[in-house]
Amino acid sequence: KQEVTQIPAALSVPEGENLVLNCSFTDSAIYNLQWFRQDPGKGLTSLLLIQSSQREQTSGRLNASLDKSSGRSTLYIAASQPGDSATYLCAVPRGTSYGKLTFGQGTILTVHP
Amino acid sequence: DTAVSQTPKYLVTQMGNDKSIKCEQNLGHDTMYWYKQDSKKFLKIMFSYNNKELIINETVPNRFSPKSPDKAHLNLHINSLELGDSAVYFCASSRDRVLHTFGSGTRLTVV
Repeated sequence: KQEVTQIPAALSVPEGENLVLNCSFTDSAIYNLQWFRQDPGKGLTSLLLIQSSQREQTSGRLNASLDKSSGRSTLYIAASQPGDSATYLCAVPRGTSYGKLTFGQGTILTVHP
Repeated sequence: DTAVSQTPKYLVTQMGNDKSIKCEQNLGHDTMYWYKQDSKKFLKIMFSYNNKELIINETVPNRFSPKSPDKAHLNLHINSLELGDSAVYFCASSRDRVLHTFGSGTRLTVV
């Protein structure tokens, strides 16, 4: 059974800091890993998708890395801004079950001015 | 707009009632899902449909019945609502196993 864990559970930082959010998964037989952002009362916005053959993906100030063998992914946020405040979730699909995503519990990020 | 849209956004109802949540995607995806986010914010898969066929049913009570009239729609009907059904329900879609796109959620409150 796939289990996904995210550390830290919550993070509060001043504006401008560089951040690292961690995600670990127990079963390395994954096709890809996806990072999402969830704003309070809103749906999930996909941030980055890393295929199992890739080691990292970048989008603007976001960089996600994937190390399948160790079951880890990190989301790096450069020069954080108050608008980055949200819950960040990582998720992995399992086997051939048509993209059934197993989610971590999320990291609640607060960036204060 | 290309998106996953679900209605209603908010739903407040009494215990014992039957309610439905609708979901539509115009992304041309072949797989659709229902996820439940509980009060602790954990997101868990409930159902998955691929080309109108049920693929995943994650030990969800049979009071929950998904219905997919076509590839673009996956509705969720809930019978005899219970207090514990209160949660946010998210619809999502994907092409194969790649890049889930989520709806904005339906906050269900059972009183």
